[in-house]
Amino acid sequence: DQQVKQNSPSLSVQEGRISILNCDYTNSMFDYFLWYKKYPAEGPTFLISISSIKDKNEDGRFTVFLNKSAKHLSLHIVPSQPGDSAVYFCAARAWDSNYQLIWGAGTKLIIKP
Amino acid sequence: DVKVTQSSRYLVKRTGEKVFLECVQDMDHENMFWYRQDPGLGLRLIYFSYDVKMKEKGDIPEGYSVSREKKERFSLILESASTNQTSMYLCASSRGTGRGTYEQYFGPGTRLTVT
Repeated sequence: DQQVKQNSPSLSVQEGRISILNCDYTNSMFDYFLWYKKYPAEGPTFLISISSIKDKNEDGRFTVFLNKSAKHLSLHIVPSQPGDSAVYFCAARAWDSNYQLIWGAGTKLIIKP
Repeated sequence: DVKVTQSSRYLVKRTGEKVFLECVQDMDHENMFWYRQDPGLGLRLIYFSYDVKMKEKGDIPEGYSVSREKKERFSLILESASTNQTSMYLCASSRGTGRGTYEQYFGPGTRLTVT
């Protein structure tokens, strides 16, 4: 039972345009969401997060939007750059969990020149 | 800067061998985690530890054990390696309390192949 779903295995975007990565979740107990970026042969690195009390969080070119009623969050990257080509993971934490994160399967983002 | 290091980047072992994967973090984090990453399945939690000598099973603990004798070190043990344990193994750590508690910091990963 996948509690965090990233339904697009891959996404291709032109350099300079907006990249939108999506994530859906099923567990109403999730209260904190994170996005990670992973290059091949490296560990994931933290990108941006959002608490369930907010609906938007912005950090430079990266913005995460949370729609609690739809149980959906998205990561926007504007403008997309070649170095953004990576696998992006969405992760969520339930308020009653013991520091565990539940992870999506990842979306591979390819930025075309 | 948080640093999480893993003992090997690549490892090839034979079926039935006992395998040790070591992870060390230098940020005095209370929590440490072992995941495996397989294509299309994301990161799956094997075990985690929230204190020295404390451990809890994750989603896929079968065939694995762990050891945490010191705060900075968390070891993953494959008691008898099997081919279905061929995977990328990722170690992570996080703070126990305070701001940013949920952010996990990852090592570079160990690509294990069992033949």
